[in-house]
Amino acid sequence: EPEVTQTPSHQVTQMGQEVILRCVPISNHLYFYWYRQILGQKVEFLVSFYNNEISEKSEIFDDQFSVERPDGSNFTLKIRSTKLEDSAMYFCASSWDRAAEAFFGQGTRLTVV
Amino acid sequence: ELKVEQNPLFLSMQEGKNYTIYCNYSTTSDRLYWYRQDPGKSLESLFVLLSNGAVKQEGRLMASLDTKARLSTLHITAAVHDLSATYFCAVEPADRGSTLGRLYFGRGTQLTVWP
Repeated sequence: EPEVTQTPSHQVTQMGQEVILRCVPISNHLYFYWYRQILGQKVEFLVSFYNNEISEKSEIFDDQFSVERPDGSNFTLKIRSTKLEDSAMYFCASSWDRAAEAFFGQGTRLTVV
Repeated sequence: ELKVEQNPLFLSMQEGKNYTIYCNYSTTSDRLYWYRQDPGKSLESLFVLLSNGAVKQEGRLMASLDTKARLSTLHITAAVHDLSATYFCAVEPADRGSTLGRLYFGRGTQLTVWP
């Protein structure tokens, strides 16, 4: 069964460093999303992406964050200068249509030290 | 912004008992999801409710949606230990033209089922 794949599963980085989280969405999907979940809290929307551009972003998604789809298969989230409060589980999701259910990857746990 | 309220946030119940988790939301929506999350794991889709009055059942779990009351319930029947997890509801606003699939999540209900 097709699934959304995220790498790495866990990343530890020093404060101020740049990180790139990678996602391979399901192959025929056109809409892509990043969410994050700070430990013990609810899942929060970061950004949606369609047709090679951002469709919507939340107030969390500030200038430190960026997304791109560099090669037609990967979908990446970059955090330029990580802060301690960026420590969270980051989930990628994709759907084939905006009205269709999105499928979530297994997540990347980011720890900023 | 759309608000999603789940209660209870913590639920400890004995095996064999029944209980209901509630999910209220603040704006018009006709699309609601229930997810299960085990510790450190991803979100497993349980139910997608697409219309008023929708009811879906899978095993010991049954979900329903009342769009007029802006309320969804997840009912647990004869709980077993394997149901221990955190359950999230997530709502997609009716005005999907502006949000393109964005989901708003509740804070989750941490369910513990004990013998």
